[in-house]
Amino acid sequence: NAGVTQTPKFRVLKTGQSMTLQCAQDMNHEYMSWYRQDPGMGLRLIHYSVGAGITDQGEVPNGYNVSRSTTEDFPLRLLSAAPSQTSVYFCASSPTVSNQPQHFGDGTRLSIL
Amino acid sequence: GDSVTQMEGPVTLSEEAFLTINCTYTATGYPSLFWYVQYPGEGLQLLLKATKADDKGSNKGFEATYRKETTSFHLEKGSVQVSDSAVYFCALSEDNTGNQFYFGTGTSLTVIP
Repeated sequence: NAGVTQTPKFRVLKTGQSMTLQCAQDMNHEYMSWYRQDPGMGLRLIHYSVGAGITDQGEVPNGYNVSRSTTEDFPLRLLSAAPSQTSVYFCASSPTVSNQPQHFGDGTRLSIL
Repeated sequence: GDSVTQMEGPVTLSEEAFLTINCTYTATGYPSLFWYVQYPGEGLQLLLKATKADDKGSNKGFEATYRKETTSFHLEKGSVQVSDSAVYFCALSEDNTGNQFYFGTGTSLTVIP
């Protein structure tokens, strides 16, 4: 069972570069989300999606774009990387059946120089 | 709006000590409550859950009881082990049309032999 798969696991970027963090789930979950985790800050919601074709902003959306063209995939795009975006990024998914837990990927550790 | 307030850390305990990590919540409806655990370098894993008032979730010796009257979901374990060293997150989920999940800021636990 693959669950939620995130790629890459590690990446180093230079300021101003762009990249896409990939997230795929094989559980047919409707709800998907992206978080960033920084020391002392817990998890902060970047963007989420309640189904294919539907996305919305979370707590810290600036500098990030998302799209949801399929149920399985929910990529996160950094348009012009900044050092403040150095973080660990987690993708998560859950069914839309109410009050079900989220399943998390293993994370992408991103450093912006 | 919904929120989760979690006991500040870090917490350091000796092996076989009793653990309590406090968690209180604010919700508009009738949420489900969760505890997640994050081991170093890994993603979040569901530890236990409770879906209605007075439910007790349990797993791996950990327990938490959903207390609607005090809006709390405190995590307890009678005898911690070194292998329990991790970060613990309290979370809630509501069946909303928007964002459905709210996390506490996490509590770091270190168990020393």
